[in-house]
Amino acid sequence: QSVLTQTPSASGTPGQRVTISCSGSSSNIGSNTVNWYQQLPGTAPKLLIYSNNQRPSTVPDRFSGSKSGASASLAISGLQSEDEADYYCAAWDDSLNGRVVFGGGTKLTVL
Amino acid sequence: QVQLVQSGAEVKKPGASVKVSCKASGYTFTGHYIHWVRQAPGQGLEWMGWITPDSGGTNFAQKFQGRVAMTRDTSIRTAYMELSRLRSDDTAVYYCAKEEALWSGYLDVWGQGTTVTVSS
Repeated sequence: QSVLTQTPSASGTPGQRVTISCSGSSSNIGSNTVNWYQQLPGTAPKLLIYSNNQRPSTVPDRFSGSKSGASASLAISGLQSEDEADYYCAAWDDSLNGRVVFGGGTKLTVL
Repeated sequence: QVQLVQSGAEVKKPGASVKVSCKASGYTFTGHYIHWVRQAPGQGLEWMGWITPDSGGTNFAQKFQGRVAMTRDTSIRTAYMELSRLRSDDTAVYYCAKEEALWSGYLDVWGQGTTVTVSS
């Protein structure tokens, strides 16, 4: 059972905009920033969004993040076939001497 | 470039221990926490713990307390994760990752992963 809650699956057609949500609590998302990771099949996770809404320079601006209270969301616009992957939200959690908590992951299918 | 390179796949019997290494390059090793995350087959990401390479301080997920050790050798810029009393449900890919900003969970560089299979 993951500390952060994500819907298990999402889908969209090429060119569409999809949103993936992530909910937490006051000890994690409510008081710390949110990060998002993309995991393509058979590969290591890759940082997609950090500090709620910042993109590493290599990540296309089709990807964006936002946070409100103890929830966050990842939006992907202009959906492409190569976006089909698992997406995980994560945050620092202030409990238990400090830890990283992850969502259970959302599998995105491009129809 | 900034890189983490992990040791190769391991096959272990139940009850044994496994030690995975993570060699860092391209950045100041002692300046960033190293986290360990694992992923069982078909499952999500599970945080195991962190080590600060500067002092060697650690913190582990409650689930692994008493069974995991995280160490480092600053002379060769390498972090280690050792898991003991292995069970079949420890079969997973184990990743190390560098935390860019302290206590942010912002893991900007990941190792390639080390597959650990526990089977009799």
